[in-house]
Amino acid sequence: AQSVTQPDIHITVSEGASLELRCNYSYGATPYLFWYVQSPGQGLQLLLKYFSGDTLFQCIKGFEAEFKRSQSSFNLRKPSVHWSDAAEYFCAVALNYGGSQGNLIFGKGTKLSVKP
Amino acid sequence: DTEVTQTPKHLVMGMTNKKSLKCEQHMGHRAMYWYKQKAKKPPELMFVYSYEKLSINESVPSRFSPECPNSSLLNLHLHALQPEDSALYLCASSQELAVAGTQYFGPGTRLLVL
Repeated sequence: AQSVTQPDIHITVSEGASLELRCNYSYGATPYLFWYVQSPGQGLQLLLKYFSGDTLFQCIKGFEAEFKRSQSSFNLRKPSVHWSDAAEYFCAVALNYGGSQGNLIFGKGTKLSVKP
Repeated sequence: DTEVTQTPKHLVMGMTNKKSLKCEQHMGHRAMYWYKQKAKKPPELMFVYSYEKLSINESVPSRFSPECPNSSLLNLHLHALQPEDSALYLCASSQELAVAGTQYFGPGTRLLVL
């Protein structure tokens, strides 16, 4: 069965420091992967998506993600964190079978706190 | 424009009340979703509509009743809810019900059941 694991429940980094949020997926074929960000009390905003092709790419807000098939990982990175990046980050994989095509399986989320 | 709107933003209701949540998108998307999100948890899928027909009902109690009046609107009718139903209810839409369909989320309705 497809699944997503975010090993870190909570990460605290200093403003200006680099950031990496980990995501591992379990899926037999080419996965469709997403990163969403959720500020407190808000909906989910799409940060980026991976369908196929390039392994390293950038998205909004200066984040980038690297897809590594050999490690079944889709980690999110940012070279220099800003205080406004404090939020909950969810990694998700889209189901690809039967009547559930397109349904998202979310990881449990990683809460990012930023120290001044 | 990738906007999904939801009303109301906040809702407080008693266990005997009847209320409705509304979701709207004007992106021409043909798949729409309702999720429930408890605090510090990821969203959980409740219902999926594809071309205005209910496609998936994830064993949601009948006190939640979805309705899709047209391709732009999705409602969630609430009746006789329990306090444990208090949560953030998120609506999302995607172009099609397909594995490559990116879902765009609304801001959510925060529901408190007393």
